[in-house]
Amino acid sequence: EPEVTQTPSHQVTQMGQEVILRCVPISNHLYFYWYRQILGQKVEFLVSFYNNEISEKSEIFDDQFSVERPDGSNFTLKIRSTKLEDSAMYFCAGGTGVKGYTFGSGTRLTVV
Amino acid sequence: GENVEQHPSTLSVQEGDSAVIKCTYSDSASNYFPWYKQELGKRPQLIIDIRSNVGEKKDQRIAVTLNKTAKHFSLHITETQPEDSAVYFCAALNQAGTALIFGKGTTLSVSS
Repeated sequence: EPEVTQTPSHQVTQMGQEVILRCVPISNHLYFYWYRQILGQKVEFLVSFYNNEISEKSEIFDDQFSVERPDGSNFTLKIRSTKLEDSAMYFCAGGTGVKGYTFGSGTRLTVV
Repeated sequence: GENVEQHPSTLSVQEGDSAVIKCTYSDSASNYFPWYKQELGKRPQLIIDIRSNVGEKKDQRIAVTLNKTAKHFSLHITETQPEDSAVYFCAALNQAGTALIFGKGTTLSVSS
């Protein structure tokens, strides 16, 4: 069964550094999302992306965050200047419609 | 925006018992309600979902009920097994259909 894959699985970065988290959706996915999950807490919506545009973003998704589909297949989340509180598991998700989407394997981001 | 409340936060049952997890949502226009199971260190996985045009859906030992008037939906697991132990998240699709908003999760422990 096809899977949404994410790289890296774990990233450690210095506070203030930029990080790029990468996701490879399933080929027929049209809708893309980023979520984050702070350890032991709920899954929080960051941003949704459709037709090469952001369709919705949450309050968490401030100017430090950006998303791209640089080559029409990969889907990236960039955090420009990481803060300690950005430490979390970041999941991308994709789907053929707005319902029933599939989560990726996640990237654990640790900001030190 | 959409707000999803989930109860209880933890639930312990004996193997073979039933487990019920309840969620409420705030946006009466929401029309899609999935449930995700997340095992420790893994991605959330869709286990069942319900759309607002039905009141109940069942898949083997798992069922979900929806009360649109009261804006409640519930997950029912019968004949629980130790492998059902995980964190369960309910979610509701926001009115614009651009994001799933998650509840805080229920940690289910099934002891044998």
